[in-house]
Amino acid sequence: AQTVTQSQPEMSVQEAETVTLSCTYDTSESDYYLFWYKQPPSRQMILVIRQEAYKQQNATENRFSVNFQKAAKSFSLKISDSQLGDAAMYFCAYRLNYGGATNKLIFGTGTLLAVQP
Amino acid sequence: NAGVTQTPKFQVLKTGQSMTLQCAQDMNHEYMSWYRQDPGMGLRLIHYSVGAGITDQGEVPNGYNVSRSTTEDFPLRLLSAAPSQTSVYFCASSSLRRSYTDTQYFGPGTRLTVL
Repeated sequence: AQTVTQSQPEMSVQEAETVTLSCTYDTSESDYYLFWYKQPPSRQMILVIRQEAYKQQNATENRFSVNFQKAAKSFSLKISDSQLGDAAMYFCAYRLNYGGATNKLIFGTGTLLAVQP
Repeated sequence: NAGVTQTPKFQVLKTGQSMTLQCAQDMNHEYMSWYRQDPGMGLRLIHYSVGAGITDQGEVPNGYNVSRSTTEDFPLRLLSAAPSQTSVYFCASSSLRRSYTDTQYFGPGTRLTVL
């Protein structure tokens, strides 16, 4: 069975600094997607960034980028120039890429990020 | 285009009561699912559906029922609420077309407390 592990329950970063959130996963599959979701205090789940397993290039979205190490099964999220609005719970998630039969997401336990002014 | 909507936003039940959490989407998505979120455990899949009339169990299905009579709606039923079902519940939907933009859209969540 696939599992996703986030080993940092809480992290803290100074405003304008850079922080990296860790995520590892376990799977025997080769074709899958990985995601980072942000959950602010409003509770809304917001997709931050996604990565296709067969793409070697790391995904980037503005200040957010990932370090995808497929062999090591590692998928970390780097937030540059941290802003107060980045304070939230961050979830790493995994999804197989079956051909459309199912879109089940497997989530990690989350990392609560605090941003200090 | 409202996306994924959930009602109610908050609910308090007594042990043994029943209720239905409503979920609707207006994006013509084939796939819909229910997750529960508990502290320190992330989101866990309860039930999912790949189309009208087709449902299946996820990781934590016990105590919950679902049905899918239309593409738009996917209600979650608690037949006899228990304190262990105190949680935040999320509904999500997505297209099943295999593409890079195929992502899941989440509703705003329902906070349920069972006394």
